[in-house]
Amino acid sequence: KQEVTQIPAALSVPEGENLVLNCSFTDSAIYNLQWFRQDPGKGLTSLLLIQSSQREQTSGRLNASLDKSSGRSTLYIAASQPGDSATYLCAVAGANSKLTFGKGITLSVRP
Amino acid sequence: DTGVSQDPRHKITKRGQNVTFRCDPISEHNRLYWYRQTLGQGPEFLTYFQNEAQLEKSRLLSDRFSAERPKGSFSTLEIQRTEQGDSAMYLCASSLGNTSRAGELFFGEGSRLTVL
Repeated sequence: KQEVTQIPAALSVPEGENLVLNCSFTDSAIYNLQWFRQDPGKGLTSLLLIQSSQREQTSGRLNASLDKSSGRSTLYIAASQPGDSATYLCAVAGANSKLTFGKGITLSVRP
Repeated sequence: DTGVSQDPRHKITKRGQNVTFRCDPISEHNRLYWYRQTLGQGPEFLTYFQNEAQLEKSRLLSDRFSAERPKGSFSTLEIQRTEQGDSAMYLCASSLGNTSRAGELFFGEGSRLTVL
């Protein structure tokens, strides 16, 4: 059974800092990996999708990497801003695109 | 493209009542998923449809839960005889199956259920 772990559960950084959020998964037989953002009481917003054949994806200040063999992904956020404060969820896709999620990392960016 | 739409956004009900949630996926998406999220946890898979066919159900989906997608467009999730443990956010997602982007899921804003 696939398990996804995100540590730490919460992170607080000052504005402007570059930061890395980590995600690990137990079964390397994945189809893709997605990073999502979730604001309190809201749904999920897709940030980046990395297909299993890819190593990284970039969107603006965000960069996500994937190392299938070691079961790890990182989400890099450059020059963090208070508006980046949210919960970041990592999810891996198995058969039929069914996602298994981690519990998320709650990020707080202090002005 | 108006995104995935869910209704209602919030439902408060008494234990033992039935509730129904509706999801309208992105129009060209043939796959539709239901997830449940409790406080402090990541979403957990409940069930998914390809067009009108329900192809997989999680063991989390007890016999009090039923989901339909009658015409391969919108879907409903009904919970009968609600229990306090059903209190959660119910998330719907859709994707374009059988393509290179099949794995990219787009989520709605969720329907929050509170069972008193």
